[in-house]
Formats: sequence, structure tokens, C-alpha cells
Amino acid sequence: QKEVEQDPGPLSVPEGAIVSLNCTYSNSAFQYFMWYRQYSRKGPELLMYTYSSGNKEDGRFTAQVDKSSKYISLFIRDSQPSDSATYLCAMSAMKTSYDKVIFGPGTSLSVIP
Amino acid sequence: DAGVIQSPRHEVTEMGQEVTLRCKPISGHDYLFWYRQTMMRGLELLIYFNNNVPIDDSGMPEDRFSAKMPNASFSTLKIQPSEPRDSAVYFCASSFLHSTDTQYFGPGTRLTVL
Repeated sequence: QKEVEQDPGPLSVPEGAIVSLNCTYSNSAFQYFMWYRQYSRKGPELLMYTYSSGNKEDGRFTAQVDKSSKYISLFIRDSQPSDSATYLCAMSAMKTSYDKVIFGPGTSLSVIP
Repeated sequence: DAGVIQSPRHEVTEMGQEVTLRCKPISGHDYLFWYRQTMMRGLELLIYFNNNVPIDDSGMPEDRFSAKMPNASFSTLKIQPSEPRDSAVYFCASSFLHSTDTQYFGPGTRLTVL
């Protein structure tokens, strides 16, 4: 079993839809959870950063962490064509452990106008 | 701010050749990272520097890989000799804090080894 699993998609939705992206993990020591957005032929950019369980909202984006289920989600409301990208989840046990950040394989999202 | 700059953006080479990838971090950032991204293995950290000093190179796959940071504004990742399995996108990132939420990635170098 991989340490972090993520449905690779591709996921295709109509503009305005609510999108749900998910990751599961096996290491209960993970406490810091990240979502990166990666446009085609570009580097990843940090979208959301959360600590421990709970929700965090930023505009149209909501990150949700359920540590008891080892499950994290990213919700995108009112999806736009500009949201079309690959979304990577990432997680670590410590805030400063660069070498221990584990990335998911990414989910490819297309928002159709 | 120009962001993290990487060159070349694309590199095609033949097996056995030496490959050098270059990175200019964001000015003022004292951490620099080299990552590799493949379909099979996803995004993996190869090595990172703090104030030009290598801190952790445990992700470097083999002795064929080496990285240097001669000054605060320049780093290289060298593969010698290159092999087809080194084909991947190599990203450089930089950070101004010792925290995983402050990394900025460059656009990457797409390497193809024939």
C-alpha cells in the first residue's frame, strides 16, 4: 500500500460545479496537510495548508482533514475553467521536515465551459 | 519578482552524456530544493540546501547525481552519465523560512534521455 493515495482521474466537470478531490494516507503521524495546484508545464504552487483535523476555507476553496479516517479533501465551489490543473495532496509529520513530505500522484481536473 | 528561474526548460540528450540543470532561486530565499517528478513515482525531493550548504541528500538516487550551490543565487544539478530512466521533470524550489508552507517552485526542466 502506498503511503498516500489519490485518484489520478482525469476528472471532468461543467463550469460552476462543486469539485471534490480526495486523498487517503496510512501514516497516522502526519499532522500537516497541503494541497498544491499544478498547471500544465508549470511547477506546483501551494493552494492550501492545514494542521491536524478540521476545515480551512479560502475563497472558493475548502480543505478538510479527517485524521480519524486518514482522509483529506479539497472542495472547489463554483469551479472555473481556470481551475483546470492537476491537484497534488502532500503531507508530513513535522512542519520543517522537507525530506519527509510525501506527495500524492495528483488528480487531473478539467472544468468545461 | 521573477520567481524561481530554471534552465534549460527542455533537454534531450543521449544515454551516457552529462546533463547539467541550472536554477536561480528567489532573491532572499535561503533554502533551495531539487525535486524530480515522474508518472510512476510522483514528486520526490532529491536534495536541499540551506545557506548554500547541502542539508539532506538522502533522496539523490545514485552517485551519478550531484548538486552544488556555489553561491546564494545559483545551483546546479548534474547527472553523469545519464540514463533513460533519468527522464523526468526536474523542479527547483526555494523558501525563505524553515517551513514546508513557504516553498516556491520553478517551471521545471523536462529531461529526456534517449
